Amino acid sequence: AQRVTQPEKLLSVFKGAPVELKCNYSYSGSPELFWYVQYSRQRLQLLLRHISRESIKGFTADLNKGETSFHLKKPFAQEEDSAMYYCALGGENTGTASKLTFGTGTRLQVTL
Amino acid sequence: GAVVSQHPSWVICKSGTSVKIECRSLDFQATTMFWYRQFPKQSLMLMATSNEGSKATYEQGVEKDKFLINHASLTLSTLTVTSAHPEDSSFYICSARDAQGSQNTIYFGEGSWLTVV
Repeated sequence: AQRVTQPEKLLSVFKGAPVELKCNYSYSGSPELFWYVQYSRQRLQLLLRHISRESIKGFTADLNKGETSFHLKKPFAQEEDSAMYYCALGGENTGTASKLTFGTGTRLQVTL
Repeated sequence: GAVVSQHPSWVICKSGTSVKIECRSLDFQATTMFWYRQFPKQSLMLMATSNEGSKATYEQGVEKDKFLINHASLTLSTLTVTSAHPEDSSFYICSARDAQGSQNTIYFGEGSWLTVV
């Protein structure tokens, strides 16, 4: 069975401080990991996926298979980063993201 | 980018009635759509996977006779909550997979609030 764990419900940081949103997964096959973001009153949108190895809005995430983690990081938080962040694990078909399992989400709150 | 639209955005219905929620992919063809349910301050729970032209695949614990899913075309999937009860009140979200190209990205609808009174 696949499972995604986001241990923190709320993460509050000051503007300019580093951010790390934790995500751990459990999956027997080769995983495909994603981070989705949901801004206030908006739909879920893809932030980044591990296979792209890209940086979006200053966020990066590295898949660590040894620790089964996919933590989301940003060196300097901005107010507009305040949102709900969901880590998601792709399904059986590697690379197709056919079925996503979501973590419980972490609310990032950036304060002045 | 690709857009997935849900309708209605919110609906109130009486207990015992049925309500239909539509999910449309506006500028791409979606052979696969997914229906999620989200309770307040909780994560998205996958209810079922909807494949165009075939029966939906339901997750364990989801009543297929209560949550009817139809995926009649490559751009439309519908979720019908039959004989709705107050405990069915929730936020329902659909997503659609754009299988064109190499990205194979999933796009989410804006969600539909269902309140059963």
